[in-house]
Amino acid sequence: EAGVAQSPRYKIIEKRQSVAFWCNPISGHATLYWYQQILGQGPKLLIQFQNNGVVDDSQLPKDRFSAERLKGVDSTLKIQPAKLEDSAVYLCASSLGTGGYGYTFGSGTRLTVV
Amino acid sequence: AQSVTQLDSQVPVFEEAPVELRCNYSSSVSVYLFWYVQYPNQGLQLLLKYLSGSTLVKGINGFEAEFNKSQTSFHLRKPSVHISDTAEYFCAVSAFGGSQGNLIFGKGTKLSVKP
Repeated sequence: EAGVAQSPRYKIIEKRQSVAFWCNPISGHATLYWYQQILGQGPKLLIQFQNNGVVDDSQLPKDRFSAERLKGVDSTLKIQPAKLEDSAVYLCASSLGTGGYGYTFGSGTRLTVV
Repeated sequence: AQSVTQLDSQVPVFEEAPVELRCNYSSSVSVYLFWYVQYPNQGLQLLLKYLSGSTLVKGINGFEAEFNKSQTSFHLRKPSVHISDTAEYFCAVSAFGGSQGNLIFGKGTKLSVKP
């Protein structure tokens, strides 16, 4: 089966600019996650979708970050305006369900804010 | 809430030597436990998971982990490592049941295998 697709792989922007990331999960996976992985740290959950509804966005900085999952399939994550501390790898993952299923991760988007 | 502590940030080891990467977790509810591996510039790949049953779990690439409930640990082991095992390893926990069940990760352990 095809994996989780993410684009772009790399992005360099100046602070205060906006940026968007795209994720296409594995077909049939109802649950989709966006994680932020800062260099030297483990991934941190930003937002979790179940189909096209938000289950958990408690750690999403909503003043600058937004995410949507239209029609319960693809998802986009946007940052506007970006700050230097947003430099990180943004990982998308999908799973059949929650709990014990485990996730399949995409290769991630490496964002550098200068 | 759950938390994960990976006790070693870096583990250097020689090729063909055994290795143990340590992981402890904290949770007020029952949990599922996972180990993921991340190679440079790649996403995370599932190595193994503990859901229930036998406390010794075998995964891919010759890795295994043992769940110890009394010590709240889930250490990862391999009896003989290869150069290709050089990567970063993440322990993760997910709460049992509920609609969220999102993965909480440790900070990672960088395994460096030397010839």
